[in-house]
Amino acid sequence: QKEVEQNSGPLSVPEGAIASLNCTYSDRGSQSFFWYRQYSGKSPELIMFIYSNGDKEDGRFTAQLNKASQYVSLLIRDSQPSDSATYLCAVFTGGFKTIFGAGTRLFVKA
Amino acid sequence: EAQVTQNPRYLITVTGKKLTVTCSQNMNHEYMSWYRQDPGLGLRQIYYSMNVEVTDKGDVPEGYKVSRKEKRNFPLILESPSPNQTSLYFCASSFGTAGANVLTFGAGSRLTVL
Repeated sequence: QKEVEQNSGPLSVPEGAIASLNCTYSDRGSQSFFWYRQYSGKSPELIMFIYSNGDKEDGRFTAQLNKASQYVSLLIRDSQPSDSATYLCAVFTGGFKTIFGAGTRLFVKA
Repeated sequence: EAQVTQNPRYLITVTGKKLTVTCSQNMNHEYMSWYRQDPGLGLRQIYYSMNVEVTDKGDVPEGYKVSRKEKRNFPLILESPSPNQTSLYFCASSFGTAGANVLTFGAGSRLTVL
């Protein structure tokens, strides 16, 4: 089992819809959880992070964490074509290691 | 401008020819790390460093070396590159606080080993 798993996609949603991206992790001792966005040919950039159970909202983005289920999700409301990218889930596992999932490709159709 | 700078951005080399990819950050970050990114495998951690003279292996350290003699620099050394080290490499840094280990990435270095 991979330490951080994501559906590779592609996930295709129409403009204005909600995009839902999911991630599961295996290490119950993981401390904090991150979503990064990576455009083709570019480096990853942080969207948001979360470390407490529940929801955290930042503009059109909401991160959700359920430590009991070892599950993290990212919701993108009012999706725009500019949101088309690969979304990387990352988990800080302690021991100062950050483990990344393979990423989910998102396409937002205009 | 706060940034992580990697060089070279692109490199084509041959098997066995030693090379170094440099990484420098100007944010006074304590934590620095190297990742490689391959299609379908995502970002895999090679080595990381918590501070000067403190380094540790990530998940795929074989064939790589690092050093951290200064806080701002964290070079990645390939002593004898092989074709399976052809990849996109990212250097990243952060303040290293457990609750907010937010990584800032360099622009990436695309390495091809023939």
